[in-house]
Amino acid sequence: AIRMTQSPSSFSASTGDRVTITCRASQGISSYLAWYQQKPGKAPKLLIYAASTLQSGVPSRFSGSGSGTDFTLTISCLQSEDFATYYCQQYYSYPRTFGQGTKLEIK
Amino acid sequence: EVQLVESGGGLVKPGGSLRLSCAASGFTFSSYSMNWVRQAPGKGLEWVSSISSSSSYIYYADSVKGRFTISRDNAKNSLYLQMNSLRAEDTAVYYCARSQSSTSCLSYWGQGTLVTVSS
Repeated sequence: AIRMTQSPSSFSASTGDRVTITCRASQGISSYLAWYQQKPGKAPKLLIYAASTLQSGVPSRFSGSGSGTDFTLTISCLQSEDFATYYCQQYYSYPRTFGQGTKLEIK
Repeated sequence: EVQLVESGGGLVKPGGSLRLSCAASGFTFSSYSMNWVRQAPGKGLEWVSSISSSSSYIYYADSVKGRFTISRDNAKNSLYLQMNSLRAEDTAVYYCARSQSSTSCLSYWGQGTLVTVSS
């Protein structure tokens, strides 16, 4: 199975900050990577697919990049509603695998 | 509007069985692959199983293979997960999720149903 490793696991930031979350795959997955946002008690929400394509309705302050094994999710100007947990997921092969999550907290 | 509504969760003893259902609406159910993803309390997301639109292709996580069975009824716009030989480590919120048409990522999710395996 392809292992997905996110960093950091958690960190604190302030509204208006620019933040970057990293996801590394244990083997190449081309651009078959998605990012999800999950808020407490809620279902995950798709933010980005194909490593860099913004899902419809997702604010443009979210962006994704990378291919192969190294990927990033960037939030250009944090808003209060962005404090949540973020997961990457590969859909290159089965079993599908998620990163362990990155919890973004308010500083 | 796409809606996915899970049901069937509850408390079950170790070794017991449970059948989860997911009722889909707002899209042509028979055209999309569907998935189950679970999340243990306070933990991350774990993919469980996927089924193609016509049920031709089915995949399972190693952790549930041989114990869980995914199925669908396109006439009823419903997805199912039959869970047998349940273990404490199967305790989780189980989400039904629809695959995106052009990729296999998970574009729509239900609100989840809680399965608790405990004596």
